[in-house]
Amino acid sequence: DAGVTQSPTHLIKTRGQQVTLRCSPKSGHDTVSWYQQALGQGPQFIFQYYEEEERQRGNFPDRFSGHQFPNYSSELNVNALLLGDSALYLCASSSWGTANYEQYFGPGTRLTVT
Amino acid sequence: KQEVTQIPAALSVPEGENLVLNCSFTDSAIYNLQWFRQDPGKGLTSLLLIQSSQREQTSGRLNASLDKSSGRSTLYIAASQPGDSATYLCAVTTGTASKLTFGTGTRLQVTL
Repeated sequence: DAGVTQSPTHLIKTRGQQVTLRCSPKSGHDTVSWYQQALGQGPQFIFQYYEEEERQRGNFPDRFSGHQFPNYSSELNVNALLLGDSALYLCASSSWGTANYEQYFGPGTRLTVT
Repeated sequence: KQEVTQIPAALSVPEGENLVLNCSFTDSAIYNLQWFRQDPGKGLTSLLLIQSSQREQTSGRLNASLDKSSGRSTLYIAASQPGDSATYLCAVTTGTASKLTFGTGTRLQVTL
């Protein structure tokens, strides 16, 4: 049973560029959430996708956008990269509407903006 | 707005000691609380999930308790080992979906 997978593992971009990160949820899960974790901090919620729609959004600017595909996988896009976007980006999957809402995390994508 | 605090921020103990990590949250209307482990530069591994109606959960040497009314949870680690060295994060789920609000973590080092 495959867990949550993310690609790429590491990424280096220049300020102003655009980046796309990818996530495949755990088998049987239909909901994907994205989190940003700056060094030394706890993860911060970016947004959540279910049925190919954004269901919730955290306090992140419109430069952060996403997409969910029919197979439940998801992409996170960040435009006009800033130095402050350097962080570990984590994807979590879960089952929508289940009572326990347990979430499973992927290994993350380390984004460095220079 | 839900806020989660973890104390202490860092902890160093000799191997074999029992230890307690603390987590507090400001809004008691939670669905559940999860404890995670994070190794440096890695993703999160779920350790324990406590539903809002439960008081505690146990897994091996780990025991987590939840006092929803006071907004507190503790993670007890028995007989610590060097392999337990990691950052431990607690997170709560509030609202109608599975958005997690995290604390900033406790960095644990278990020495030989």
